Amino acid sequence: GAGVSQTPSNKVTEKGKYVELRCDPISGHTALYWYRQSLGQGPEFLIYFQGTGAADDSGLPNDRFFAVRPEGSVSTLKIQRTERGDSAVYLCASSFSGSHKETQYFGPGTRLLVL
Amino acid sequence: AQSVSQHNHHVILSEAASLELGCNYSYGGTVNLFWYVQYPGQHLQLLLKYFSGDPLVKGIKGFEAEFIKSKFSFNLRKPSVQWSDTAEYFCAVTGAAGNKLTFGGGTRVLVKP
Repeated sequence: GAGVSQTPSNKVTEKGKYVELRCDPISGHTALYWYRQSLGQGPEFLIYFQGTGAADDSGLPNDRFFAVRPEGSVSTLKIQRTERGDSAVYLCASSFSGSHKETQYFGPGTRLLVL
Repeated sequence: AQSVSQHNHHVILSEAASLELGCNYSYGGTVNLFWYVQYPGQHLQLLLKYFSGDPLVKGIKGFEAEFIKSKFSFNLRKPSVQWSDTAEYFCAVTGAAGNKLTFGGGTRVLVKP
């Protein structure tokens, strides 16, 4: 596709439920990032994939959060036992090779609301 | 750990006014600096970036930013804004060896026609 796509665009769930958020990066981009943006704040880094492996997961807030990228393309962010504080916009970005000088291209985000 | 602060949360301007948005970062090593913009209903997109060389960087849509190392600053400027510049602007930084972006809190800019 032309850009990074994310599905669903909106997700409403109840406290304690499990959710999966999907990211489809720009074709050919080996680096994929997840960020979380809470209301009124800038995006915060969660995890970075280089190919299939998580190269840096230092931003994941706790063990309820997990992400995979099994074939080095599409990635899924998984949140177990959701809490109201998980409500935020989850952003995915990709870049060509993961160099710190590269532009990261962002998707439209998934707006998660935990009731 | 690196951090980024943006001085203004909200800015309201009239068309043709000049815009300057402040950005300061804290990080002891070499940094790469970015300004991203989010127009209403759209996703984040890059305005400009700085790695090395000329500290005055020109980006898209008439924006420019100046890196002042001694002040740990990377302020964004535009001499004459248009209504279409209404958006939220984010300053961000990566360190020399790391590629995760650290963002500031953003500045919402409203340009009145």
